[in-house]
Amino acid sequence: DGGITQSPKYLFRKEGQNVTLSCEQNLNHDAMYWYRQDPGQGLRLIYYSQIVNDFQKGDIAEGYSVSREKKESFPLTVTSAQKNPTAFYLCASTNRLAGGDTQYFGPGTRLTVL
Amino acid sequence: EDQVTQSPEALRLQEGESSSLNCSYTVSGLRGLFWYRQDPGKGPEFLFTLYSAGEEKEKERLKATLTKKESFLHITAPKPEDSATYLCAVQASIDYGGSQGNLIFGKGTKLSVKP
Repeated sequence: DGGITQSPKYLFRKEGQNVTLSCEQNLNHDAMYWYRQDPGQGLRLIYYSQIVNDFQKGDIAEGYSVSREKKESFPLTVTSAQKNPTAFYLCASTNRLAGGDTQYFGPGTRLTVL
Repeated sequence: EDQVTQSPEALRLQEGESSSLNCSYTVSGLRGLFWYRQDPGKGPEFLFTLYSAGEEKEKERLKATLTKKESFLHITAPKPEDSATYLCAVQASIDYGGSQGNLIFGKGTKLSVKP
């Protein structure tokens, strides 16, 4: 089945640690996105990538980093510089080169800082 | 500034009691408006895309409509399994300064349907 997978489902981080969230898609989509979701707030864009080896900052990129070495993979690193990282993280993808606008989402990773 | 506002924040319905959710938006040029359903602890599930005023789309008990300023998600004879948070998002046209066509999300409407 085609889709987007995110791992792990739950992640716990200690103060001062960097952690990496995985996002993989087998939909052959060219564009991938990372969002953060907090209670009572809309989804906020962290980073996005239109093509391999290229990515742009979203609205709240500070304290995060990404890479896009393969079309199907877009990992997100939450660094120790992110002061309030506890949130639900969502990865999405879309087939922009084919004219698609709809973003399809993965199941999410819940990150908790201990 | 491009903005999306959803109302109400929460809605409680009895099974079979039809109602509507509202998504009002301000955007320089609308490329598309999207509705998603999100269950607790899960990723949003795509429902509809609307592109132009007057457009309507239906799926089972759900019907989405679009005007130049807002969209409605009508729920007809809802069932308990329709309980979820419904998210609305808009995509601005790149021609009007939209950033690579990225989505702007509202905060969602939490729908509860009681049997």
